[in-house]
Amino acid sequence: AQKVTQAQTEISVVEKEDVTLDCVYETRDTTYYLFWYKQPPSGELVFLIRRNSFDEQNEISGRYSWNFQKSTSSFNFTITASQVVDSAVYFCALRAYSGAGSYQLTFGKGTKLSVIP
Amino acid sequence: GAGVSQSPSNKVTEKGKDVELRCDPISGHTALYWYRQSLGQGLEFLIYFQGNSAPDKSGLPSDRFSAERTGGSVSTLTIQRTQQEDSAVYLCASSLGQGTPSGNTIYFGEGSWLTVV
Repeated sequence: AQKVTQAQTEISVVEKEDVTLDCVYETRDTTYYLFWYKQPPSGELVFLIRRNSFDEQNEISGRYSWNFQKSTSSFNFTITASQVVDSAVYFCALRAYSGAGSYQLTFGKGTKLSVIP
Repeated sequence: GAGVSQSPSNKVTEKGKDVELRCDPISGHTALYWYRQSLGQGLEFLIYFQGNSAPDKSGLPSDRFSAERTGGSVSTLTIQRTQQEDSAVYLCASSLGQGTPSGNTIYFGEGSWLTVV
């Protein structure tokens, strides 16, 4: 069975501060994918990044960066110099074989980020 | 289409009535998923389609819930005899398929907000 844990329920930061969102996952599969999605107040889930289990390179995209460590089963997400527009709920998700021919996404419960101007 | 399209975007129904929610996946996407997001809750997997077949229905909460997909494209989620606890956002998602890295990104629609009164 797959499991994703986002221990931080809510985080508040002041604009321009850096913030890291934690994600820990569990799976028995050796091949899997990890994702981060952003859900702004409008409700749509916006895909941010995909990382496969064989690629532990950290990635930076503008103000966003991701730190994938298989040794600790973690896939943390950092926003540098946060902005008010970053306020949203962020979901970490795992995609691995879940049986019955299915590769469903298993989501964490999300971290609500509030960036205060 | 350019993205996953869902209708209706909002639906208010009386307890005991049946409702149908429709999803148009991204053109060419063979995999289709339904998820449910209740207020303050995470995302709950309901059902997965590969083509017109549903190999994984493990998330459907009761026999009042059913879904079908026709022509390998449009899917309909039907909830019979709705209850107040069915109130949630129903999210549809699609992806290219299972076996290719590029197919492992799942894209979501904006959701159908269902309120049962």
